[in-house]
Amino acid sequence: DTGVSQDPRHKITKRGQNVTFRCDPISEHNRLYWYRQTLGQGPEFLTYFQNEAQLEKSRLLSDRFSAERPKGSFSTLEIQRTEQGDSAMYLCASRYTGGVRTGELFFGEGSRLTVL
Amino acid sequence: GQQLNQSPQSMFIQEGEDVSMNCTSSSIFNTWLWYKQDPGEGPVLLIALYKAGELTSNGRLTAQFGITRKDSFLNISASIPSDVGIYFCAGRRGGNTPLVFGKGTRLSVIA
Repeated sequence: DTGVSQDPRHKITKRGQNVTFRCDPISEHNRLYWYRQTLGQGPEFLTYFQNEAQLEKSRLLSDRFSAERPKGSFSTLEIQRTEQGDSAMYLCASRYTGGVRTGELFFGEGSRLTVL
Repeated sequence: GQQLNQSPQSMFIQEGEDVSMNCTSSSIFNTWLWYKQDPGEGPVLLIALYKAGELTSNGRLTAQFGITRKDSFLNISASIPSDVGIYFCAGRRGGNTPLVFGKGTRLSVIA
């Protein structure tokens, strides 16, 4: 039974570099979410997909951030021209929605980004 | 930004004691969830609540969906060392809206 998988688990980069995170959701889950979590805070919503369609984006998602889910399976979150304020844990979560089987959000282990 | 007020921020308790924590909101939520997060890991779902007044248990954990739909409570009975971690409440206003999280309650258990 595979849960939500994220890669890499840790990334250290220099300010100004681009980084990309990957998320593989639970296989039958049609919705995929990205959250960001900074120290001492709860997860904050960034964006979500239903299958391959990106349905909602938070105002936290600046134009340096882009997320894709091209085939409705795995998703990538890219941050361009990283800033020190981007340092955080990036969490991916998935859930199945549909009729009586609608389920809840299951999270991956997160990708921790440190921008030097 | 965060819309849920979670308290207390942290707790230090003796092993075997019961624990209570709560979460309040200025908005009505249709779903309340409780998650636990260990250091360096993602949150793990503990309990989901879908109806006002609902009381649901998961082992030693019991959670309630407040009658006003603006609050929720989590109780842990007979705490053990592995209960250590950060507990987050989360709420959803409607079926398609994203989950909103509190800032967490950090639980420490002294053996």
